[in-house]
Amino acid sequence: QLQLQESGPGLVKPSETLSLTCTVSGGSISTRNYYWGLIRQPPGKGLEWIGSVYYTGSTYYSTSLKSRATISVDTSKNQFSLKLNSVTAADTAVYYCARHTPFVGIAARGWFDSWGQGTLVTVSS
Amino acid sequence: FMLTQPRSVSESPGKTVTISCIRSGGNIGSNYVQWYQQRPGSAPTTVIYEDYQRPSGVPDRFSASIDSSSNSASLSISGLKTEDEADYYCQSYDSTNAIGVFGGGTKLTVL
Repeated sequence: QLQLQESGPGLVKPSETLSLTCTVSGGSISTRNYYWGLIRQPPGKGLEWIGSVYYTGSTYYSTSLKSRATISVDTSKNQFSLKLNSVTAADTAVYYCARHTPFVGIAARGWFDSWGQGTLVTVSS
Repeated sequence: FMLTQPRSVSESPGKTVTISCIRSGGNIGSNYVQWYQQRPGSAPTTVIYEDYQRPSGVPDRFSASIDSSSNSASLSISGLKTEDEADYYCQSYDSTNAIGVFGGGTKLTVL
């Protein structure tokens, strides 16, 4: 059974860079026609898609975060990672890793079918 | 584009409730719609995918539809149980710009 596990510092200082790693187990991150995404949820608020990466390294980002976010993949470790720079208190959220089917092309379904448990990242001095 | 949901709905046990998800910008039928259930402190789980498909393990009390005339999707839950009380999110995507989009979420109260 596919499992995703988020890891990273639970506390980040304002203006610094938030780093988060998602480890995939029970399946290969190099599986074709699956993308690996990051979604966040501020306390008491809704879900926000941050961006996604394919095993080849191709990336997609939300319009609002693309200037600060970088998502990368390490197929040798079956991991993908998020770096979000210049963070503020507004970036405080539970961050989720998830697998999804493509947004583009003949196989486009856009379904987030497996999720990690999420990890709370607090931005505070 | 945006997906707009009511912030909250409430209904009694045993009744049927419907949650709407209105797409502004583009045709609702252009991209599949998913619905997720999220209980407090837990990650979202799928109750509907690809407009109206149910994952194994999701009871047939959950159903969904697409209405092109109102450019919206709807999730219906019949025979409401207290365990259905949760937040529900619709989700779709923009194939042109390769962007994922979530609705704002609806808090369902079963009382």
